[in-house]
Amino acid sequence: ETGVTQTPRHLVMGMTNKKSLKCEQHLGHNAMYWYKQSAKKPLELMFVYSLEERVENNSVPSRFSPECPNSSHLFLHLHTLQPEDSALYLCASSPSGGKNIQYFGAGTRLSVL
Amino acid sequence: GQQVMQIPQYQHVQEGEDFTTYCNSSTTLSNIQWYKQRPGGHPVFLIQLVKSGEVKKQKRLTFQFGEAKKNSSLHITATQTTDVGTYFCAGPAAGANNLFFGTGTRLTVIP
Repeated sequence: ETGVTQTPRHLVMGMTNKKSLKCEQHLGHNAMYWYKQSAKKPLELMFVYSLEERVENNSVPSRFSPECPNSSHLFLHLHTLQPEDSALYLCASSPSGGKNIQYFGAGTRLSVL
Repeated sequence: GQQVMQIPQYQHVQEGEDFTTYCNSSTTLSNIQWYKQRPGGHPVFLIQLVKSGEVKKQKRLTFQFGEAKKNSSLHITATQTTDVGTYFCAGPAAGANNLFFGTGTRLTVIP
């Protein structure tokens, strides 16, 4: 148990569906992240929130929409995804700033049909 | 942009053999972190090195940070089946605020 909880653990969705991934951290951290991990690719940083403000958006398609209502919760809203978006989506948190040690959740395994 | 490469991409070893993975950054790093991801799991932090030339040990694992702070290595002595997984290095470029993860080395240990 890392103190970072992601739900759901597995998700199968069609290309026309809308779904949301949820992440909650119980570590008192100020920064939260979404990463995408595909087979044979390095971890791709998608979004960074620091003190509930988005500070990084790495050219992610608009079909991915993050939301950070408070420093403990992070969402990733998904709509009209493509099959190539199938991947493991990992949430992480750190005390402050991206240079610090990151604590990862177990991830959501997403399959887009 | 910053790139962090690791070699080898895959490594199969007999149990008891040693293993080394190398991490090379295109830019100087302010620190280097190492993570381990077990099959089906998520990355878990192992260690952080900050100083140029720093060496740290964790039981059978030895971590080094290069003098130029652009490369690092992880060496495992006498591998065990519990060492199986993918090892990632990660580091922020000097002045940057985000981690860049390496491409990872997947280690398989044959009993």
